[in-house]
Amino acid sequence: DQQVKQNSPSLSVQEGRISILNCDYTNSMFDYFLWYKKYPAEGPTFLISISSIKDKNEDGRFTVFLNKSAKHLSLHIVPSQPGDSAVYFCAATQGGNQFYFGTGTSLTVIP
Amino acid sequence: ETGVTQSPTHLIKTRGQQVTLRCSSQSGHNTVSWYQQALGQGPQFIFQYYREEENGRGNFPPRFSGLQFPNYSSELNVNALELDDSALYLCASSFYRTGGESGTFGSGTRLTVV
Repeated sequence: DQQVKQNSPSLSVQEGRISILNCDYTNSMFDYFLWYKKYPAEGPTFLISISSIKDKNEDGRFTVFLNKSAKHLSLHIVPSQPGDSAVYFCAATQGGNQFYFGTGTSLTVIP
Repeated sequence: ETGVTQSPTHLIKTRGQQVTLRCSSQSGHNTVSWYQQALGQGPQFIFQYYREEENGRGNFPPRFSGLQFPNYSSELNVNALELDDSALYLCASSFYRTGGESGTFGSGTRLTVV
């Protein structure tokens, strides 16, 4: 039972443009949502998170939007840079002792 | 500040064997979580250890077991290995508190069961 879904396995964006990565979830009890970035041969690296009581969180070029009614969150990267090319995972948790991950979206930023 | 270290990095085992994977947590962290990432999938939560006790478990059979030591390092043990156990095993350490906690991931152990 996949409680967190990333329906786009890959995304290509031109350098300088906006990258939008999407994630859907089914469990309305999730209270935190996180985005991770993963390079080959490395573990996932935390990028940004958002509490379920907020609808937006911004950190530099990265912004996460949460739409609880639609059970949808998205990660915006503006402007996109070639170094952003990686696999991005969204994750969700209820209470912080179990995290559910999506299957990932591979982002390629074209110079 | 040291990061999360996992050993070994790669491992090949035969079906039916047992395996132990190790994880040293980041300095200052007291919680370790283990994940299994199959090819093309996201990490799947196996279990979490806090204060040397299991503090949550995903949908994995009892042949997946773990330990946490007083220095907060941890082991993942898998008995009676099956071919489907072939995956990347990730551990993440964090400082436990209620709510979302990002955790710091290690680079993983690639287990191949033949």
